[in-house]
Amino acid sequence: DTEVTQTPKHLVMGMTNKKSLKCEQHMGHRAMYWYKQKAKKPPELMFVYSYEKLSINESVPSRFSPECPNSSLLNLHLHALQPEDSALYLCASSQVTSGQETQYFGPGTRLLVL
Amino acid sequence: AQSVTQLDSQVPVFEEAPVELRCNYSSSVSVYLFWYVQYPNQGLQLLLKYLSGSTLVKGINGFEAEFNKSQTSFHLRKPSVHISDTAEYFCAVSEIWGAQKLVFGQGTRLTINP
Repeated sequence: DTEVTQTPKHLVMGMTNKKSLKCEQHMGHRAMYWYKQKAKKPPELMFVYSYEKLSINESVPSRFSPECPNSSLLNLHLHALQPEDSALYLCASSQVTSGQETQYFGPGTRLLVL
Repeated sequence: AQSVTQLDSQVPVFEEAPVELRCNYSSSVSVYLFWYVQYPNQGLQLLLKYLSGSTLVKGINGFEAEFNKSQTSFHLRKPSVHISDTAEYFCAVSEIWGAQKLVFGQGTRLTINP
């Protein structure tokens, strides 16, 4: 089973709202990722957690706050977003062992900021 | 640093015809190579990957790719396409010692016409 689940599927929020995106996997993967994908573009890496610790932050604005409460869950907290943050947010997970780092993606959350 | 070039942004093909989607990469170190497919309004699904060993890699849905180190290419092929293959295809590369950072190409939009 290579399933990564994400909730919600769609989200509409105002610029003053606070919301969270959730991601879950039960494959025993110890690395989890957040990507942002704009229309007709490839995914852009935002954050990587390895063994529940933030290992990569690709200079993402502080209005995006990731959290990894345990090895199966990954959250992305959103606050004071801008309309240009509207995008598909993808979660992925992988093993950490060398040669086993293939990333498996979830279906994404489509976010619209008004 | 690595880079990936997908030479065709759009490829229209008739149903049951063969198709090749081209991918070239640049890297100063050894890499892993991946093809992902994204159907409309969905996340990314792994089609196939090259980590080591045989340079001809078979994936899901009848797709295959060949790793050519001398030409730094990893072209994706299918001998006979179906309407359901209409999707965006992304080639991606990662360093073998730093495999958590996937670098994506810009994508190729494959359209199958009846």
